[in-house]
Amino acid sequence: SQKIEQNSEALNIQEGKTATLTCNYTNYSPAYLQWYRQDPGRGPVFLLLIRENEKEKRKERLKVTFDTTLKQSLFHITASQPADSATYLCASLGAGGGADGLTFGKGTHLIIQP
Amino acid sequence: ETGVTQSPTHLIKTRGQQVTLRCSSQSGHNTVSWYQQALGQGPQFIFQYYREEENGRGNFPPRFSGLQFPNYSSELNVNALELDDSALYLCASSLFGTDTQYFGPGTRLTVL
Repeated sequence: SQKIEQNSEALNIQEGKTATLTCNYTNYSPAYLQWYRQDPGRGPVFLLLIRENEKEKRKERLKVTFDTTLKQSLFHITASQPADSATYLCASLGAGGGADGLTFGKGTHLIIQP
Repeated sequence: ETGVTQSPTHLIKTRGQQVTLRCSSQSGHNTVSWYQQALGQGPQFIFQYYREEENGRGNFPPRFSGLQFPNYSSELNVNALELDDSALYLCASSLFGTDTQYFGPGTRLTVL
């Protein structure tokens, strides 16, 4: 069955550095991948969507890449700040389209240390 | 523009009881999806409602059921609660056929 894997459960980064989070997918070819931010006890907040025919997408300090050969998306936060500390979720639509809902990875817990 | 709202915020039930969770979709959105998120896990898709009918379902038993109302708000009902049903229940709204879902703050359900 389709699966999304996020590489680390926790990632510690020093303030000001670039944080890079990984999302790998197996057993299917998603038309797009989405990245969400989730703070403790809150709902996920949509950040970026990248389609399979897009190599890279940027929004302010955020950058997402999509490599269909490696079956991987990378999510970068440049000039990281302690306020960026959160769990970041990668998600894609199920193989059956919208009726399958979003499939999420477990998330990467990012900690930006001052 | 009003975002997605959910009620209640927290709920404690005992095993075997029934629970109803509520969701109001974001203004202009006609589709509602429900997700269950256990501690330390990503959200898992329960089902989706569009035009007041179930439009898709994840791997959840029939004791998880739902409704969508003409104003697009929605309810999630869970019968015969089990300890493993303890989780954060998330509602997400969207415009049918578009790619992005907007999540509410969630309802934290604890089953004792």
